[in-house]
Amino acid sequence: ILNVEQSPQSLHVQEGDSTNFTCSFPSSNFYALHWYRWETAKSPEALFVMTLNGDEKKKGRISATLNTKEGYSYLYIKGSQPEDSATYLCAFRSITGNQFYFGTGTSLTVIP
Amino acid sequence: NAGVTQTPKFRVLKTGQSMTLLCAQDMNHEYMYWYRQDPGMGLRLIHYSVGEGTTAKGEVPDGYNVSRLKKQNFLLGLESAAPSQTSVYFCASSPVVTKNIQYFGAGTRLSVL
Repeated sequence: ILNVEQSPQSLHVQEGDSTNFTCSFPSSNFYALHWYRWETAKSPEALFVMTLNGDEKKKGRISATLNTKEGYSYLYIKGSQPEDSATYLCAFRSITGNQFYFGTGTSLTVIP
Repeated sequence: NAGVTQTPKFRVLKTGQSMTLLCAQDMNHEYMYWYRQDPGMGLRLIHYSVGEGTTAKGEVPDGYNVSRLKKQNFLLGLESAAPSQTSVYFCASSPVVTKNIQYFGAGTRLSVL
C-alpha cells in the first residue's frame, strides 16, 4: 500500500479568494497522478491527468502542477466561486502496479 | 451515452446474506475497478480487472469476490455480508491510452444490519 496524503483536510474560503492545496505521493517509480472533483451526492469526475515532471495543466480557473522528483502536486483555484465547493481528490499510480491510490481529499467550501 | 452504470443504487442486507453488485460500462474500457468509500478513509480499492477474464486484489479484498466474464461488466459479490461491509461502493472504468483516467458510476449505498 502506497501513502498518498492531501492537505489541508478541509478549507473554507470567501468567494473571490484564490486557494491551493497539496497532494503528496512517493517520489519513486512514478507513472501518473490524477486530480478529481467530487461534488456531494455525485461521483468523482476527472480534472487532470499529470504524467511528466514539471507538468502544468489548466482548466478555466483551476490549474495544477506536478513535481515527481519531490513527490507533490499542487491544485490552484483562482477567484473561487460557490460552485467550486467540492472535495478534490488526487490519485497516484506507480509503474510497479496497476492500481491507483487515492488521497482522502481536500474539502473546499466557498462562502458567498 | 450511459457511461458507467451501477445497480442497485441502494440495498439493505441482513448479516450473512449474499448479494451481487453489477457494474456495466459502454465505453469499451479495458480496466474496471471496485472501490468502497467510508467516512475519513477516502476511496479504497477492493478488486480490479485489467481485461476480460482477469481480476486482481486491491487494498481491501477480504469478504468480496469479483468476476469479469464480459469486457463491459464487472460484478462484485458479497458471499456472507457483515456490518463492516456497510459502505458506499463505487465502480469505475478506464482506458489505457489516457493513463487510466477513471470514469465513475453513481455509487451503491449498502447497509448491512
